[in-house]
Amino acid sequence: DGGITQSPKYLFRKEGQNVTLSCEQNLNHDAMYWYRQDPGQGLRLIYYSQIVNDFQKGDIAEGYSVSREKKESFPLTVTSAQKNPTAFYLCASSIRTGTGGIGRDSNQPQHFGDGTRLSIL
Amino acid sequence: AQSVTQPDIHITVSEGASLELRCNYSYGATPYLFWYVQSPGQGLQLLLKYFSGDTLVQGIKGFEAEFKRSQSSFNLRKPSVHWSDAAEYFCAVGPWDTGKLIFGQGTTLQVKP
Repeated sequence: DGGITQSPKYLFRKEGQNVTLSCEQNLNHDAMYWYRQDPGQGLRLIYYSQIVNDFQKGDIAEGYSVSREKKESFPLTVTSAQKNPTAFYLCASSIRTGTGGIGRDSNQPQHFGDGTRLSIL
Repeated sequence: AQSVTQPDIHITVSEGASLELRCNYSYGATPYLFWYVQSPGQGLQLLLKYFSGDTLVQGIKGFEAEFKRSQSSFNLRKPSVHWSDAAEYFCAVGPWDTGKLIFGQGTTLQVKP
């Protein structure tokens, strides 16, 4: 079955340490996204990528970095510069949007992984 | 500013009762609207979406939503709630071309037996 796999499910970070969250999809989607979820704040966009080798900052990119070397993979690194990294991180993917103008192929629904919960040791 | 507001943080309904979850948005362009559901510790699942056309849209699990442009609302409804509907529900809005979604804060639904 096609889907999005996030690993690990739980991750712990020490002070001053960078950690990388994995996101892999086999849906053949061009676009991928990373969100951060905190209680009572909904989801906030960290980074997104519409195609391989290209990505853009979202609303809360500071302290995070990403790469998009393969279509299937969009890893997120939480750097030591992120002072409050404890959160639930969700990865999503979708068919590439905006290629056919406004209409049925626009803003395709995003499919989500089951998340990674990051905590500070 | 672009935003999505879900006024109810927590709602409790009895099993079999009807449900309405409110969503109000502020968006400068034509909004594309979504409702997602999240079970504890899991990702989000799409319930339904609205792009254009009929303002009453049907989704999975017996949910429907109505788009009201004049009220900037996209409320989610279900005629009869089941215990398995207990979860957190998110409304989201986005543009047509980038897939960047703005999510509401979420509404937690509790179902009483």
